[in-house]
Amino acid sequence: GQNIDQPTEMTATEGAIVQINCTYQTSGFNGLFWYQQHAGEAPTFLSYNVLDGLEEKGRFSSFLSRSKGYSYLLLKELQMKDSASYLCAVRLRDNYGQNFVFGPGTRLSVLP
Amino acid sequence: DTEVTQTPKHLVMGMTNKKSLKCEQHMGHRAMYWYKQKAKKPPELMFVYSYEKLSINESVPSRFSPECPNSSLLNLHLHALQPEDSALYLCASSQFGSGGSTDTQYFGPGTRLTVL
Repeated sequence: GQNIDQPTEMTATEGAIVQINCTYQTSGFNGLFWYQQHAGEAPTFLSYNVLDGLEEKGRFSSFLSRSKGYSYLLLKELQMKDSASYLCAVRLRDNYGQNFVFGPGTRLSVLP
Repeated sequence: DTEVTQTPKHLVMGMTNKKSLKCEQHMGHRAMYWYKQKAKKPPELMFVYSYEKLSINESVPSRFSPECPNSSLLNLHLHALQPEDSALYLCASSQFGSGGSTDTQYFGPGTRLTVL
């Protein structure tokens, strides 16, 4: 089976930095994606890692360690609009390479 | 244009009705997906079409029937649904490749389905 874990909820203050962790145990690995989803809306792509290390995109960074089955999303200079759910998704390595499994999501609340 | 469109936005149907959800993309993507998402839960993969052929069916009940008429369109036909099928149904698309950041999925806004 596939298992992806994330903290259920996190709270942080505007202007601060927050790190959202994701651990995974999956049958095959072909990349890890982070998505942001506001309530009632579709997920939007934030970041992608397939090799170990850090990927930086503006206020968002994502890190991957394949040997540890671990990733994190780092959000800097938090803004109120960053209050949302953050989903970690693993693309499995199969014949088609298009099978994605999502983690449970982390609901982030940014307080003034 | 990185847009995936879905119609209708909202749908209320009885358990004996037949309805269809529609999804469209014009990004030249060759993989298209249907997901089901319940409140406060992550999306669950239902079906994947790759080059207009069904490549993944995650043991979805036969009352859900997908169809991919061409590379831009994806339908989900609904028949004899149950109240527990009420959820947000998301369509997504991605380039079909050997793997890379360009294979990220772009999601449509979803259809909120209520089964009475």
